[in-house]
Amino acid sequence: QKEVEQDPGPLSVPEGAIVSLNCTYSNSAFQYFMWYRQYSRKGPELLMYTYSSGNKEDGRFTAQVDKSSKYISLFIRDSQPSDSATYLCAMSVRGQNFVFGPGTRLSVLP
Amino acid sequence: GAVVSQHPSWVICKSGTSVKIECRSLDFQATTMFWYRQFPKQSLMLMATSNEGSKATYEQGVEKDKFLINHASLTLSTLTVTSAHPEDSSFYICSARVPPRQPQHFGDGTRLSIL
Repeated sequence: QKEVEQDPGPLSVPEGAIVSLNCTYSNSAFQYFMWYRQYSRKGPELLMYTYSSGNKEDGRFTAQVDKSSKYISLFIRDSQPSDSATYLCAMSVRGQNFVFGPGTRLSVLP
Repeated sequence: GAVVSQHPSWVICKSGTSVKIECRSLDFQATTMFWYRQFPKQSLMLMATSNEGSKATYEQGVEKDKFLINHASLTLSTLTVTSAHPEDSSFYICSARVPPRQPQHFGDGTRLSIL
């Protein structure tokens, strides 16, 4: 079993849809959880950073962590074509030993 | 805040030459920087962790003599691909972290093409 699993997609949605991106993990020691957005031929850009279980909202983005299920999600409301990118989840133990998911390719169609 | 600059963004060179890639943290001091390699449509592959003032820690399977890393200051780390060959062609990305327990911030990557 891989340490972090993420559906690679591609995921295609119409503009305005709510997008749900998910990752599961196996290491219960993970404490810090991140979501990055990566456009083609660019470096990943940090979108959300959360610690422990719960929800965190930033504009159209909501990050959700369920440590009991070892499951994290990123929700994008009112999706836009500019949201088309690859989304990587990442997690770490005490800020060390970062592990990245393989990424989900998202296409938002106008 | 937390801007990481990587240079060059794209380099094409002949087989056998050495290529240096710079990674700078512009508005913070980074005691730890990371170097990744990414193949098309694949995830990030950690190559090495670079700590200021000490030797880099390489991941298993990454040749230290091939990929030289120097972290000379709190704002600059360099990756030198020595005697590059076509199989070294890839997208190389650096990241930096403000400790403690902070996420990584990435540069925009360097596309390396070896002819």
